[in-house]
Amino acid sequence: DAGVTQSPTHLIKTRGQQVTLRCSPKSGHDTVSWYQQALGQGPQFIFQYYEEEERQRGNFPDRFSGHQFPNYSSELNVNALLLGDSALYLCASSPRSDLMVQYFGPGTRLTVT
Amino acid sequence: AQSVTQPDIHITVSEGASLELRCNYSYGATPYLFWYVQSPGQGLQLLLKYFSGDTLVQGIKGFEAEFKRSQSSFNLRKPSVHWSDAAEYFCAVVLLYSGAGSYQLTFGKGTKLSVIP
Repeated sequence: DAGVTQSPTHLIKTRGQQVTLRCSPKSGHDTVSWYQQALGQGPQFIFQYYEEEERQRGNFPDRFSGHQFPNYSSELNVNALLLGDSALYLCASSPRSDLMVQYFGPGTRLTVT
Repeated sequence: AQSVTQPDIHITVSEGASLELRCNYSYGATPYLFWYVQSPGQGLQLLLKYFSGDTLVQGIKGFEAEFKRSQSSFNLRKPSVHWSDAAEYFCAVVLLYSGAGSYQLTFGKGTKLSVIP
């Protein structure tokens, strides 16, 4: 049984560009959350998706947007990249029956130059 | 606003020694508390969780944590540390948005554990 998978593993972008990160949840999980982890910090909640809708959002600007597909996979899009967007982006999934327990993927390391 | 504080940025212990990692939270209601571990280059793995009931909870890899409401603490312990325990440890609290049927985890800044052979 595959866990949460994320792609790509690493990514280098230039300021002002746009980026799309992808996440496939653990089998049987229908809720996906995204977190940003800056170097030396704990993860910060970006948003959560369920039934293809954004259900909750953290303190992130509109440059951060997402999408969930019918197969429960999800994308995180970031527009107009800033140097400060450099971070590890983590995806987590959970089943609706046990929302409290989140399973994390390995993350995508984004570097903005 | 809820917050989680991990006072120790970095802790070094000898293999076989006992370990206690501190976590304090600020939250008005009954908290749901978690400890996660992150190995270098890896995602987060859940060690244990506290929702209610017995204030001493057991987790994976021989870890346990004790919830103390009077001290707003949820410290992680292990009686004998193994070299493979070297990693970063995060305490987290969940805020439940019951109206939206959703929630989010708020994490501390983490404690990096180094183990001396």
